[in-house]
Order: sequence, then C-alpha cells, then structure tokens
Amino acid sequence: DSGVTQTPKHLITATGQRVTLRCSPRSGDLSVYWYQQSLDQGLQFLIHYYNGEERAKGNILERFSAQQFPDLHSELNLSSLELGDSALYFCASSVEGSGLETQYFGPGTRLLVL
Amino acid sequence: AQKVTQAQTEISVVEKEDVTLDCVYETRDTTYYLFWYKQPPSGELVFLIRRNSFDEQNEISGRYSWNFQKSTSSFNFTITASQVVDSAVYFCALSERGFQKLVFGTGTRLLVSP
Repeated sequence: DSGVTQTPKHLITATGQRVTLRCSPRSGDLSVYWYQQSLDQGLQFLIHYYNGEERAKGNILERFSAQQFPDLHSELNLSSLELGDSALYFCASSVEGSGLETQYFGPGTRLLVL
Repeated sequence: AQKVTQAQTEISVVEKEDVTLDCVYETRDTTYYLFWYKQPPSGELVFLIRRNSFDEQNEISGRYSWNFQKSTSSFNFTITASQVVDSAVYFCALSERGFQKLVFGTGTRLLVSP
C-alpha cells in the first residue's frame, strides 16, 4: 500500500458526460501528479500540482481540468467524455516536486466511457 | 529530449529462470533519476527502485538486481530465479531536474510459468 488513495476504483459512464476523480496524497506529501494509462498512448503525464498551485502540464486535453485543495487532496475533472477517454487514471504523490523524487502511485481509477 | 525505450514487449520464462529486462534512456541533462515500477495484474503501480545519475553502482535487493551504465544509457533489471508472482508489466521511467514528471517506457510484460 503506497498510502495514496483514489476514488472511485471503477467508473462507467456515457459519452458527453462529466466525471470527477479524487486523489488523496500520502501524509506529508505536497505534490500530486495525474497520469493516464491507455493501450495506445501508454503512461502519459497529465498535470502536476504542488501545495495548491499548478506546476506543470503535460498532454492534458482542454476538456480535462484539475485542482488541489487546501487539505492537499486533488480532483481531476473530465468533461464531454469521448470513447477514447476510457483509460486507467493514476494519481501519484511526492514530498516536494523537484522532479527528482520518487512518485508513489495510487491504485488508479478505471474509467470506461460507453 | 527525454525518452525511455523498452524494446522487449513481452518475455515468457519458466519458474526459476533468470530474466533481464532492458531499459535504454535518452536525456540531455546530467542530473536525472531512473526508476523501475511494477504493475501486477491487479493494476496498481508499485515502486521498485530509484537511481540517480551520479551513482553507477549496481544494486541488489533479494532476487532483484539493477545494472546502471551511463556509457550505454541503460538501466537494466534482472530477476534471479523468477517466480510466478513476478508476472507483471514492468516499467522503466526517467525524471529530470526541473521537470515535474516521469517519462515512462512502454513496459515489458513478464510472464512466468510454473
């Protein structure tokens, strides 16, 4: 158990809908990262938050957004969902966010868009 | 440019065989970290090891060992006396100073048969 929690574990929804994925980092970690794992794209970095502020963006679609709250938990919002958004979404956390730390991953949220 | 290549898509071995998973990386930075993660069939990403660019000493942890060679930009992972529980997808990843993300290889699926 990495100490990173993600809810829900599974999510099934329809095209055009909006969903929210939630992540709680390990105790003491200030950074949260979101990754998407799909069959065609592999593991891709989406976005990084450090202590409530956005620090880096990767290949994140405009339909996707994220935030990190004062209690350091983070939410990833996916809207106008398309079939291709079906993937495993991981949250990871680290102590700071220098880029040279170990990122510990949560169990993931498996999203299926029908 | 940051890039990680895992040329072996899938490897099948019989229990007790030794197996080496290859990882080749590209980076322009002199300060970077390399990682290995394990993704068992249950789906979570489990951290195995982190190695910084200034430490080329090989590391051994039980049946696992890692060979880091800067001259060939490789960070290979060997499992000695493989077991069925080692069956998983293994990912090599790279992070650089100032970049708050992990760049993953495409993974190597290891199947260990009894």
